[in-house]
Amino acid sequence: NAGVTQTPKFRVLKTGQSMTLLCAQDMNHEYMYWYRQDPGMGLRLIHYSVGEGTTAKGEVPDGYNVSRLKKQNFLLGLESAAPSQTSVYFCASSYPGRGVGNQPQHFGDGTRLSIL
Amino acid sequence: SQQGEEDPQALSIQEGENATMNCSYKTSINNLQWYRQNSGRGLVHLILIRSNEREKHSGRLRVTLDTSKKSSSLLITASRAADTASYFCATVLTSGTYKYIFGTGTRLKVLA
Repeated sequence: NAGVTQTPKFRVLKTGQSMTLLCAQDMNHEYMYWYRQDPGMGLRLIHYSVGEGTTAKGEVPDGYNVSRLKKQNFLLGLESAAPSQTSVYFCASSYPGRGVGNQPQHFGDGTRLSIL
Repeated sequence: SQQGEEDPQALSIQEGENATMNCSYKTSINNLQWYRQNSGRGLVHLILIRSNEREKHSGRLRVTLDTSKKSSSLLITASRAADTASYFCATVLTSGTYKYIFGTGTRLKVLA
């Protein structure tokens, strides 16, 4: 039982390049999330999905796109990478549960992305 | 701006001592959750307290919630070196948007 798996673990990009981060969960969770973690700022929500085929914007969505074509996968794309997007990216998933947010989130171990 | 703010930002204690960290938030919440993050790893859920609860225990963890003061505290009793980590509170707003708002975290170091 792998839980939440993020690919790749590390990546260095040049400004203007594009890439896709992959998140896969094997817990049959409905909800999936992408966060970025920067020093001194905690986690900030980029985009989230409440089910296959649906996505929504979070707190800091600019410069990112997402897709949820399969329930178990949530992809985060950077179309034209910028140095300000250097960060650690975390994916999380959760059950809907009873009521909004009444379930814990399960996190992957992150993707460390540097943009030069 | 962040919904949750932890205090202190960093805490260093001796093994066996208790560690207390606090979280303040700004708007009405559905529940509040605490997470631990070991260096280089993802966050791990510790405990959830609902808005109508005042105190909750789980092993060596004790969480309190004061909705009138919009604050929560996490107490780790008899701390161990393995408790060294960052601790985050996360609030789920009552707006029904499925969004978890994480605080900036408290870095705890337990010295053996």
